[in-house]
Amino acid sequence: SAVISQKPSRDICQRGTSLTIQCQVDSQVTMMFWYRQQPGQSLTLIATANQGSEATYESGFVIDKFPISRPNLTFSTLTVSNMSPEDSSIYLCSVFRTGNTEAFFGQGTRLTVV
Amino acid sequence: GESVGLHLPTLSVQEGDNSIINCAYSNSASDYFIWYKQESGKGPQFIIDIRSNMDKRQGQRVTVLLNKTVKHLSLQIAATQPGDSAVYFCAENNAGNMLTFGGGTRLMVKP
Repeated sequence: SAVISQKPSRDICQRGTSLTIQCQVDSQVTMMFWYRQQPGQSLTLIATANQGSEATYESGFVIDKFPISRPNLTFSTLTVSNMSPEDSSIYLCSVFRTGNTEAFFGQGTRLTVV
Repeated sequence: GESVGLHLPTLSVQEGDNSIINCAYSNSASDYFIWYKQESGKGPQFIIDIRSNMDKRQGQRVTVLLNKTVKHLSLQIAATQPGDSAVYFCAENNAGNMLTFGGGTRLMVKP
């Protein structure tokens, strides 16, 4: 399995501010994925983070709102910018190990915007 | 804090009974399907997967059935235990290892 550490595990933030979530993996991976899980709902893919190139965003998500960094093969950050209460969700990073069909998830960051 | 599965459909079963959780998927071109278990405060955890060229796969106490004709996936849990209480999601793997998740079902096991 892959060990994925996310920081912070939870936070309460004021509207209009930004929060950066970190994801650290215990081995090198090509692609890292960021998901959002709104309260009581399923997971929705935000973007795919590739090392050395810009992240690829899914429909409904834009770089200005969710900038992503991927400085190396074991680390990525997701920033939730200019937050509003509608951004209150669990944010999760995920990876596939090379040659593995199983996706591993971090424990998630529970964000509450007040 | 709010539970992950607060607003999801709920399946309530007696401890020791078998559970069947169903899922409909959307993309007939998906090449494999996965079931995840998510406990409160944790990320999804892999349970079992199945490739599109199969219709059944068994694991330890779990069986996944795939019906491509109606685009339906089910997870059967034998002898359900209190530790099985969680939210269960199906996911389909599209090109590039991107997962599309289904709506999820909350399983509650009564002792």
